[in-house]
Amino acid sequence: ETGVTQSPTHLIKTRGQQVTLRCSSQSGHNTVSWYQQALGQGPQFIFQYYREEENGRGNFPPRFSGLQFPNYSSELNVNALELDDSALYLCASSSAGASSYEQYFGPGTRLTVT
Amino acid sequence: AQSVSQHNHHVILSEAASLELGCNYSYGGTVNLFWYVQYPGQHLQLLLKYFSGDPLVKGIKGFEAEFIKSKFSFNLRKPSVQWSDTAEYFCAVTPFKASGTYKYIFGTGTRLKVLA
Repeated sequence: ETGVTQSPTHLIKTRGQQVTLRCSSQSGHNTVSWYQQALGQGPQFIFQYYREEENGRGNFPPRFSGLQFPNYSSELNVNALELDDSALYLCASSSAGASSYEQYFGPGTRLTVT
Repeated sequence: AQSVSQHNHHVILSEAASLELGCNYSYGGTVNLFWYVQYPGQHLQLLLKYFSGDPLVKGIKGFEAEFIKSKFSFNLRKPSVQWSDTAEYFCAVTPFKASGTYKYIFGTGTRLKVLA
């Protein structure tokens, strides 16, 4: 069973640029959630994708957007990067309708905005 | 707004000491509760979870947690910690849904350092 993978591992961008982060969900999972973990904080929910559509969103501006593909992998796009976007971005996969309600997390992408 | 509070931000213990990490949530309805652990350089891993039934749940590596509904709490415990328990611990809550998808609300985490 393949776990959740994310790419890239680290990324440095300049303020105002755009970035795309990628996530491959665990085998058998059809739902992907994205979280932002700032330094010293717990993960904050950005949004969730199910059947290629956004299914719930946290308090993040529209410049945070995403996609889910037919193979259930996902992308997180952030436009017009700001310094405060520097954080660890976590992807988590799960199976909609499963009784366990458990999400499986990837290792994250560390984004630094300068 | 739904929120999760973890009262201890940093905890330092000697090996064999007992551990209790506090977690309180604010949500009036039924919730599912989780404790995740993040070892240095590793990704978040599930320690234990509570959905229903016995409020005392046991997880991996000797950890347990007790759900006290009247106190909106889900404290994590371990009778005797080991050096290898050094990690960051996160409490998370998700409002109950009969089916389908949901989001986690995480606390700010507790950094545990166990001295050998």
